[in-house]
Amino acid sequence: TQLLEQSPQFLSIQEGENLTVYCNSSSVFSSLQWYRQEPGEGPVLLVTVVTGGEVKKLKRLTFQFGDARKDSSLHITAAQPGDTGLYLCAGARETSGSRLTFGEGTQLTVNP
Amino acid sequence: NAGVTQTPKFRILKIGQSMTLQCTQDMNHNYMYWYRQDPGMGLKLIYYSVGAGITDKGEVPNGYNVSRSTTEDFPLRLELAAPSQTSVYFCASVRDRIFYGYTFGSGTRLTVV
Repeated sequence: TQLLEQSPQFLSIQEGENLTVYCNSSSVFSSLQWYRQEPGEGPVLLVTVVTGGEVKKLKRLTFQFGDARKDSSLHITAAQPGDTGLYLCAGARETSGSRLTFGEGTQLTVNP
Repeated sequence: NAGVTQTPKFRILKIGQSMTLQCTQDMNHNYMYWYRQDPGMGLKLIYYSVGAGITDKGEVPNGYNVSRSTTEDFPLRLELAAPSQTSVYFCASVRDRIFYGYTFGSGTRLTVV
C-alpha cells in the first residue's frame, strides 16, 4: 500500500494548457515537499509546505497543502515544454524524523 | 560544484556478483539516504544514516548493506546480486532540517543479468 498516492500517473498536454497534479494520503504529514526530476538526474526540490491550508507560488507553479495536512496539489499555469519531467511529492511524518516518504510520481509531457 | 557524487553511473552485474555503489557529499550534511527507483514506484528507502557510525534500515533493506565511517561517505554494498535489484539507485543528503530538501546525486543505473 502506497502511503502517498499521486494522480494522474501520466499527463500529456499541449503548450499553454493548465494542469493540476494531486498527492493524497490517509496519514497526516508535518511537511510536504514537491520535487521535479529530469531524465538521468536526481530529483530537485521545488517547494516545502508546512502549514495546513498553505499556498505557495513559484512563478507559474502553485502549491497547496490541504487543511488537514493529508494532501497537496501542484497547479501549473500555461505549461511550457521546459516543464516536462517527473513530479514527485514527498511527505515527512512526526514519527519518521528526517525520512521522507515519496509518492509514485506524475510523468508530465508538455508538447510544443 | 558542491553536492552529492555517485559512482559509477552505469553498471551491469551478473547474478551472484557483488559490488559497492559509492556516494560522497562535500556539504557537511549529517543525514544521508539510499533510495531505489523503479518505474511507476517512486523512491523506496533502502538505508539511511543520521551521522558517522550510525545506520538504520529503511523500507527495503534486504540484499543490501551500508556503512558510514565518515560524514562524507555512505557506500551501499550489494553482496549477491539478484535480478530484482535491477533499478536506479539514488543517494541523498540533508544537513539537519528537511525543510530545505534533500540534495540528490545523479544516480547509478544497475542492471543484473
